[in-house]
Amino acid sequence: QQQVKQSPQSLIVQKGGISIINCAYENTAFDYFPWYQQFPGKGPALLIAIRPDVSEKKEGRFTISFNKSAKQFSLHIMDSQPGDSATYFCAASMGAGNMLTFGGGTRLMVKP
Amino acid sequence: DADVTQTPRNRITKTGKRIMLECSQTKGHDRMYWYRQDPGLGLRLIYYSFDVKDINKGEISDGYSVSRQAQAKFSLSLESAIPNQTALYFCATSRQGNSPLHFGNGTRLTVT
Repeated sequence: QQQVKQSPQSLIVQKGGISIINCAYENTAFDYFPWYQQFPGKGPALLIAIRPDVSEKKEGRFTISFNKSAKQFSLHIMDSQPGDSATYFCAASMGAGNMLTFGGGTRLMVKP
Repeated sequence: DADVTQTPRNRITKTGKRIMLECSQTKGHDRMYWYRQDPGLGLRLIYYSFDVKDINKGEISDGYSVSRQAQAKFSLSLESAIPNQTALYFCATSRQGNSPLHFGNGTRLTVT
């Protein structure tokens, strides 16, 4: 039973376009929602994170949108670039224990 | 230079063999984790340790064991490897609270 469901599994976007990856969670006790980015042959690395007291967080071209009532959050990559091609994981955790539950991952390809 | 180093990077072993994956870190973090990555399933937590004397089971601990030899070293053992343990294994570290996970570059394990 996956507590964090991520979609789509794969995504192809043209350079300059907007990439959107969605996640839905079940546990209302989750209070921390990070996104991790993974390049081939490397471990994941934290990209951006949000807490449920805000509905949106933006860092450069990357934005997290959070909908607490719908128990959904999404990653938007504006002006997508070929260098953004990677696998993206959403995750969630509760409290300060940092036991992250990860979504299944989205493989993003940005075509030149 | 990698702050979280995993060895070996690749390993092929036969069913029934005992193998050990090793992780060392120079980040000075107290918390260490072992995750398993499978396509479509994301990253799933196997074991975690908050300090040298602390070992906790994660979501999928069956068939695995760990040893925290020092603050900087955390090893994962497969007592009797089976083919469905074929996966990409990641070690990670973090500070306390919801601080970012810092991953190694992974060990690709194949059990034939």
